[in-house]
Amino acid sequence: DARVTQTPRDKVTEMGQEVTMRCQPILGHNTVFWYRQTMMQGLELLAYFRNRAPLDDSGMPKDRFSAEMPDATLATLKIQPSEPRDSAVYFCASGLALGGAFYNEQFFGPGTRLTVL
Amino acid sequence: KQEVTQIPAALSVPEGENLVLNCSFTDSAIYNLQWFRQDPGKGLTSLLLIQSSQREQTSGRLNASLDKSSGRSTLYIAASQPGDSATYLCAVNSNYQLIWGAGTKLIIKP
Repeated sequence: DARVTQTPRDKVTEMGQEVTMRCQPILGHNTVFWYRQTMMQGLELLAYFRNRAPLDDSGMPKDRFSAEMPDATLATLKIQPSEPRDSAVYFCASGLALGGAFYNEQFFGPGTRLTVL
Repeated sequence: KQEVTQIPAALSVPEGENLVLNCSFTDSAIYNLQWFRQDPGKGLTSLLLIQSSQREQTSGRLNASLDKSSGRSTLYIAASQPGDSATYLCAVNSNYQLIWGAGTKLIIKP
């Protein structure tokens, strides 16, 4: 049963600390998305990778957020330093893109619930 | 700028009823539209994906329709069950980016 996995599932940290969230996309998928969900803003796209290359990270606060794909089986989202306003659920999704545009389903992981005190 | 609206924000119905959830979007230039389900404290489960060239998709008791020209999609749930209680989100794919509605919180009363 192929699925996207994310670790950790829950993270509580103090303001100023570094936070790293990890995602394992479905094997064979070539696109990875990072989303953030809050009560106020709903779901927002933070970053989008295709074939491990970042194509769009305009949704991320550049000064503190960074996203990478060290290899095809791992995507990371890092916040340094973390702030209370970063408290949210962070979702990773993967999909298979064929051709120039992305027409296909996105499959979501269970999310990482981040609380910054 | 694409905007997605879901009405109603919340819905409570007795078990067994058929119901319709609505999603509207402002820009008809979309690749596809996806309906998701989210249970409290959980992730997002994809229910149905409708490509822009399609009119509807069906999966079990769920049927989703798409009218691109009018900027509307509906999710029809037949013979609702308490296990259908969740928040239902629609998301419009404009290129790669999903633009999300705020969701409809559905409660099915036994």
